[in-house]
Order: sequence, then C-alpha cells, then structure tokens
Amino acid sequence: DGGITQSPKYLFRKEGQNVTLSCEQNLNHDAMYWYRQDPGQGLRLIYYSQIVNDFQKGDIAEGYSVSREKKESFPLTVTSAQKNPTAFYLCASSSPGQGAKNEKLFFGSGTQLSVL
Amino acid sequence: AQTVTQSQPEMSVQEAETVTLSCTYDTSESDYYLFWYKQPPSRQMILVIRQEAYKQQNATENRFSVNFQKAAKSFSLKISDSQLGDAAMYFCAYRLRAGKSTFGDGTTLTVKP
Repeated sequence: DGGITQSPKYLFRKEGQNVTLSCEQNLNHDAMYWYRQDPGQGLRLIYYSQIVNDFQKGDIAEGYSVSREKKESFPLTVTSAQKNPTAFYLCASSSPGQGAKNEKLFFGSGTQLSVL
Repeated sequence: AQTVTQSQPEMSVQEAETVTLSCTYDTSESDYYLFWYKQPPSRQMILVIRQEAYKQQNATENRFSVNFQKAAKSFSLKISDSQLGDAAMYFCAYRLRAGKSTFGDGTTLTVKP
C-alpha cells in the first residue's frame, strides 16, 4: 500500500529539548511538505521541498529545521528556539506537474506534539 | 501572497438536507487548482473534490459539488443529502501548478440526526 507514514503519533518535548518528527513516503513523490495545525485553525506551512537536497521556508519556519537527503524522507526537527511547539503536525506529499490527479496533497496521519 | 478565506467557522445541517460551505481566495494568477479537504475527528486529511481553474465546468463527486466563480474568486462546496459521516472540519485550499498549497481556516460542519 502506498502512502505517507508519520511517527510517532504522540510526542512530548521537555524544555530546551530538540525533537524530530519522522515522515516517510513510498509514493515516489517529488514534493513534500510540513504543516502545523493549532486547535480550531487551518494549516500553516512550515517547510517544503520540491526535490531532494533542496527545501524552502514556509510561512512559519522559525524554530524549525528540515532535511531532504532522500526522496522518501523529510524529517522535521522542532528546536528549542520554538517557544510554542504544542500543535498537530501534518506531513504531506505530491507530484506536481505529473498530471492534474497528482496535484492533490496526500497526507500522513499526523503527530501531536506537546510540551511537558 | 495568496490568501484563502472561509467566512463560516461553523455550520450545521440536518441529516439528508443540503449545505453549502463558502470559500473565497485572492490571486493574480490564472492557472491554479482549488481543493476541498475534509478532516474528520481522526484528523486524517482527505481530499473531497478538486477544481482546475481553466475548466469552466464545476467539479462533481457523488454528493459533493462545487460552485466555481473564477471572476469572483469564489469556490463554494455543496453537500447534498448530508450524512452523519460528513461531520468534519472542511478546508478550502489554493495551489498554483507545482507550487505550495494555501489553506483557509476551516469550517466545522455538524450534521444533526
């Protein structure tokens, strides 16, 4: 089954700690994205990557970092500089330019990050 | 920058009735895509329907249809014969070809039995 796997489902961060959220896809998609969702709100883009070894900041990149060393993987690190990290994090992928049906986003099941 | 506005934070509908969710967007582009995504209590985002801006015909997927008014930059979602399983948060999204998606703040839909 093709899809996007996010882990862990729940994650707790201590003060001053960096934590990394995993996102893996086996859809052979070029583009991957990280979104943050706060309660009752929409999705805000943190970082995105259109191709391996390249990524761009989204609207709320401060306090976060990413890497894209492999096509299948796009991990997100929430650093200690992110003072309000409690949120639901969604990873997504797409194959833009490969046809209209691939323009949609495929989402993982999300990671809920909370601060201890 | 593109913006997407959903002016109805909450909507409710009686089971088997029809409901329309509103969405407006701002862009200077002409070739783009519009989407409605559903987020049920499980929080897994699911695509409901997609519209390509260069197509004048409104998209339809079973009980879901859109009213796409390109000049007015409006993209509303109509749900016919509402079912209890339709209860969810619905997000409108805008995307340029091979670009990033911008989401609205969502509309929470309640379906009353």
